[in-house]
Amino acid sequence: QKEVEQDPGPLSVPEGAIVSLNCTYSNSAFQYFMWYRQYSRKGPELLMYTYSSGNKEDGRFTAQVDKSSKYISLFIRDSQPSDSATYLCAMRTTGANSKLTFGKGITLSVRP
Amino acid sequence: NAGVTQTPKFQVLKTGQSMTLQCAQDMNHNSMYWYRQDPGMGLRLIYYSASEGTTDKGEVPNGYNVSRLNKREFSLRLESAAPSQTSVYFCATYRGIGELFFGEGSRLTVL
Repeated sequence: QKEVEQDPGPLSVPEGAIVSLNCTYSNSAFQYFMWYRQYSRKGPELLMYTYSSGNKEDGRFTAQVDKSSKYISLFIRDSQPSDSATYLCAMRTTGANSKLTFGKGITLSVRP
Repeated sequence: NAGVTQTPKFQVLKTGQSMTLQCAQDMNHNSMYWYRQDPGMGLRLIYYSASEGTTDKGEVPNGYNVSRLNKREFSLRLESAAPSQTSVYFCATYRGIGELFFGEGSRLTVL
């Protein structure tokens, strides 16, 4: 089992839909959880970051972490065509030899 | 601010040729990384440098070498390119807590 598993996609939704993107993990040492967004032919950029179980909201985006079940989610409300991108989850352990591990990414297309 | 600058943006090589991908940052971050991104494989760490003067192997280091020239610059060298090294290469710096700043990528094709 890979340390981080992400729904493979691709995902296509109509404009205005609620989008749910998910990742599961097996390493309980992961303590920091991130979502990166990558537009076509660009580098990934940090979208959201959280370290505790529960929800974190930023505008139309909500990051959810459930450490007991080892999964994280990113919700996008009122999705827009400009949200069309690849979304990568990422997780990091703590300590001197902390490790950052990415999911494989899911490509989202929001249709006008 | 330019952030993280990679050169070249595109390159086509023949099998066996060598080349160096350059990366420079103006963010004053200590840690720098080289990743490759392939369809269905996600981002895979090739090498990283926690600080000037140190480098360490990542997940897929075979066929690559790196040089941390100074705090700003971290280069990736392919000594004898192979078709399996066709990929998009990203350089990144690390601010902390998990926040990486990526360059725009270098697209390499090896024929």
